[in-house]
Amino acid sequence: DAKTTQPPSMDCAEGRAANLPCNHSTISGNEYVYWYRQIHSQGPQYIIHGLKNNETNEMASLIITEDRKSSTLILPHATLRDTAVYYCIVRVEYYSGAGSYQLTFGKGTKLSVIP
Amino acid sequence: DSGVTQTPKHLITATGQRVTLRCSPRSGDLSVYWYQQSLDQGLQFLIQYYNGEERAKGNILERFSAQQFPDLHSELNLSSLELGDSALYFCASSAAGEVGQPQHFGDGTRLSIL
Repeated sequence: DAKTTQPPSMDCAEGRAANLPCNHSTISGNEYVYWYRQIHSQGPQYIIHGLKNNETNEMASLIITEDRKSSTLILPHATLRDTAVYYCIVRVEYYSGAGSYQLTFGKGTKLSVIP
Repeated sequence: DSGVTQTPKHLITATGQRVTLRCSPRSGDLSVYWYQQSLDQGLQFLIQYYNGEERAKGNILERFSAQQFPDLHSELNLSSLELGDSALYFCASSAAGEVGQPQHFGDGTRLSIL
């Protein structure tokens, strides 16, 4: 799976948009970008994923550059409960269904939402 | 609530002992994954089962083993425990087909070796 690079930490003011960048310059055509977060020592929480197009759900938006070499996770109105470690993961997908889909976690970005 | 249930939440035991961690996947999910999170190693993939069969192995020690039962729940067995096995153990599940399917994680079992 492609390696990702994320800043180790970021701050965001409560109520403002949090924009978390991720670089995945070696991504290949069959690799999806996944975002998870981990609040304290809870289980990682799935946020969003995408292949080529921008995606939005009730939690966040995912913006993927046209060349797919980087992406940005956007939390539109950050709250104190969004303070967590955010992981950007690139995962190969085998359309034949024959592969394994384990996630390789890096160190992520520790997002601190400031009151 | 992810729908993935892990028991027990906490486990305290001594070196040399054996423990079993249990995971019930989300309804309908055929794949179960086990991950270990320690302070110095971060989150690491251990093993995956798909519909009862082992599909992939990661950094899993020989002292550790797992299985997935016909009702799709899974157990992770840890034996000859060492102090370094103290960690959070997470189970995740995902849907059949898996392409573009996210994994959903349980709240983990915190294992403390004294």
